[in-house]
Amino acid sequence: EDKVVQSPLSLVVHEGDTVTLNCSYEVTNFRSLLWYKQEKKAPTFLFMLTSSGIEKKSGRLSSILDKKELSSILNITATQTGDSAIYLCAVYSGGGADGLTFGKGTHLIIQP
Amino acid sequence: GAGVSQSPRYKVAKRGQDVALRCDPISGHVSLFWYQQALGQGPEFLTYFQNEAQLDKSGLPSDRFFAERPEGSVSTLKIQRTQQEDSAVYLCASSWIRGSGEQYFGPGTRLTVT
Repeated sequence: EDKVVQSPLSLVVHEGDTVTLNCSYEVTNFRSLLWYKQEKKAPTFLFMLTSSGIEKKSGRLSSILDKKELSSILNITATQTGDSAIYLCAVYSGGGADGLTFGKGTHLIIQP
Repeated sequence: GAGVSQSPRYKVAKRGQDVALRCDPISGHVSLFWYQQALGQGPEFLTYFQNEAQLDKSGLPSDRFFAERPEGSVSTLKIQRTQQEDSAVYLCASSWIRGSGEQYFGPGTRLTVT
């Protein structure tokens, strides 16, 4: 059974800090890893990673995949209160299993 | 609209009632997914459609759950004889291509069974 574990489960930091969120996975047929941001609405797509060692970047957010360690990190620099959300990591294994397997999420709170 | 839409946004049902949840995917997206998200958990896969064909229903928790997408666009998730453990947010997602994993989510329907 595919498994995704995120850490920490919750994190409280001050505005301006840099945070690193972790995701590790065990899947039978890895195809891609995805990060989503979930506020009180639809999870919004952040990144999809398929290749190891290639950083994807969008503004203050960046992410990288390590296939050898079966893990990924999501970095947020110069955090703002608007970054407060649940960050979800998911893996797609394909091979007939068309759904994403999600971790429980990291609940990030940015204090002013 | 440009995104995935779901209705109703909130639904309260008494135990034993049947409910129907609707999803309008992004126009042109052939793949449609349903997920169930319990409080404090990540979404869990329920079922998948490619156009009108239901290709994977391995995540449906019981035979009380039924989904359809008869014309390959709008989908309905039906739950019969609701029970308290069915209380959750039901998320719909769509994708333009099969096999990439990149999915776009709707806002969800929060179902509360009393």
